Amino acid sequence: NAGVTQTPKFRVLKTGQSMTLLCAQDMNHEYMYWYRQDPGMGLRLIHYSVGEGTTAKGEVPDGYNVSRLKKQNFLLGLESAAPSQTSVYFCASTNGNYGYTFGSGTRLTVV
Amino acid sequence: GQQLNQSPQSMFIQEGEDVSMNCTSSSIFNTWLWYKQDPGEGPVLLIALYKAGELTSNGRLTAQFGITRKDSFLNISASIPSDVGIYFCAGPASNNDMRFGAGTRLTVKP
Repeated sequence: NAGVTQTPKFRVLKTGQSMTLLCAQDMNHEYMYWYRQDPGMGLRLIHYSVGEGTTAKGEVPDGYNVSRLKKQNFLLGLESAAPSQTSVYFCASTNGNYGYTFGSGTRLTVV
Repeated sequence: GQQLNQSPQSMFIQEGEDVSMNCTSSSIFNTWLWYKQDPGEGPVLLIALYKAGELTSNGRLTAQFGITRKDSFLNISASIPSDVGIYFCAGPASNNDMRFGAGTRLTVKP
């Protein structure tokens, strides 16, 4: 039982490059979330999805886009990476309760 | 938006000592949660609290939902090296949004 799997685990981008972070869950969860974690700021919600085909903005959505074409996958895209997007990104899922299951994170550096 | 303030930011303790940390909010929460993040991993849920005044234990961990519903406390008794990590409080805001505190980083010296 893999739970929530994030790929890649590490990535270095140049300013202006684009990339997609993939989150996959095998628990048939309805709700999926993308958070970013920065030192001293905890986790902040970027975007979330309450079901296949739906997406919504969280607390810090600017510079990111998401898609949920399949229930088990939630993609986070950076169209034009900026140094301010250097962070650790976490995906989480739940079936409606508050016990989120998190992935192990993607560490992104934008230079 | 709803802000969660955790204190202390970091703690350095000796193995065997007890630990206390807390979380306060500018507004009322109906649920309080405590997560732990091990180095290099995502957060894992430790304890969930659903009622004001509730006291819940999970092994050596005990958490309390404050009477005012604006605060919560986490205690760890007889700390061990594997307690090292970052402890986050969290509470559900609107729009299916879980708000997290900035975390308390715990270091346990053997």
